[in-house]
Amino acid sequence: EVQLVESGGGLVQPGGSLRLSCAASGFTFSSYWMSWVRQAPGKGLEWVANIKQDGSEKYYVDSVKGRFTISRDNAKNSLYLQMNSLRAEDTAVYYCARDGSPGVTTLTFDIWGQGTMVTVSS
Amino acid sequence: AIRITQSPSSLSASTGDRVTITCRASQGISSYLAWYQQKPGKAPKLLIYAASTLQSGVPSRFSGSGSGTDFTLTISCLQSEDFATYYCQQYYSYPLFGPGTKVDIK
Repeated sequence: EVQLVESGGGLVQPGGSLRLSCAASGFTFSSYWMSWVRQAPGKGLEWVANIKQDGSEKYYVDSVKGRFTISRDNAKNSLYLQMNSLRAEDTAVYYCARDGSPGVTTLTFDIWGQGTMVTVSS
Repeated sequence: AIRITQSPSSLSASTGDRVTITCRASQGISSYLAWYQQKPGKAPKLLIYAASTLQSGVPSRFSGSGSGTDFTLTISCLQSEDFATYYCQQYYSYPLFGPGTKVDIK
């Protein structure tokens, strides 16, 4: 079964850090671009970042540039999001998502994890 | 920057109804548009990509059309499991989602 499972969410104070993980199974992880997408409580979806298969290209939404870092470990079939200098507005469910096709990115997302909640509050 | 709007923001419908949701981009995005369905507490599900291509496993009552700036998602005969929020997403530039359309029971 193709599956993505996120972990690492929790409550953190403003200015703090958190590292999210996403474990992939059931497909050839190293063949796909991967993304993080977030959803603030009661709000819509926001793409956060993506990473190429070999990690050589990474892109971010402007609001997290310089604070968040996406990375991956293909040997462990895992995707990560290091979040620093967290703000209240980063509070959201964070989803790990697979690109819609292996190879060149489609920038669509065909497989999603169940999400992990990040709450930034004092 | 490209802006995405959806209309309506919500609608009430009955099972068996034909439902149409509109998505508009602030500039032309060719056919780089996808549609997702999200149920409460669940992850989004890809329904349609390239404006009109049905994702594998998605029922044929879902269809998409449009190109350039104006797009529609149509559910031809609404089923009980279709009550959800629907998001469009452009991928002409970096991925950007519309604000969503909530479909609930009349």
